[in-house]
Amino acid sequence: GIQVEQSPPDLILQEGANSTLRCNFSDSVNNLQWFHQNPWGQLINLFYIPSGTKQNGRLSATTVATERYSLLYISSSQTTDSGVYFCAVEGIQGAQKLVFGQGTRLTINP
Amino acid sequence: GAVVSQHPSWVICKSGTSVKIECRSLDFQATTMFWYRQFPKQSLMLMATSNEGSKATYEQGVEKDKFLINHASLTLSTLTVTSAHPEDSSFYICSARDGFTEAFFGQGTRLTVV
Repeated sequence: GIQVEQSPPDLILQEGANSTLRCNFSDSVNNLQWFHQNPWGQLINLFYIPSGTKQNGRLSATTVATERYSLLYISSSQTTDSGVYFCAVEGIQGAQKLVFGQGTRLTINP
Repeated sequence: GAVVSQHPSWVICKSGTSVKIECRSLDFQATTMFWYRQFPKQSLMLMATSNEGSKATYEQGVEKDKFLINHASLTLSTLTVTSAHPEDSSFYICSARDGFTEAFFGQGTRLTVV
């Protein structure tokens, strides 16, 4: 099945810094989503982005489907941005199943 | 975005008993729902795919008789952990999609078997 790799596994930054999280995948995709998992375990939808670029406030994402990677940008980080960020993909043979990467644990210090 | 509601949020049960977890899509009809399991500090692992009106499709290594899934309507899927044991303690999360679109997740259920 499709493989998903996220980097870096851990990232520690000071408040106000910018960050870039990466997601590499091993095959063509029908769907790619970015999530933020809050401390209570809830997955918050950030972007549905199988291709192209999207922006939502301080967050933006770009997926280059032909090169099989996606990037999540967080600008002017706040302590509330802390948590685990997951990339999940549905391969073209995936039968709608989302496969998750291992996540990036982001810690924003005040 | 769409809302997926999962209940209960947490449950503690005795070893050997069964626990049922409900997943509802509140504002859309979900032809397909998914059940995931997450251990502490790990990623989400897909357990099974649930299609309305048909049998669930389980991922390799997931015990069908232990994790019973029912998808009786377009808005409700249930996961029953039968004869639960401490090793079944985990965080269970459901997901719903309306066709080939964005997936939305429930709040998750933290199961502790004592």
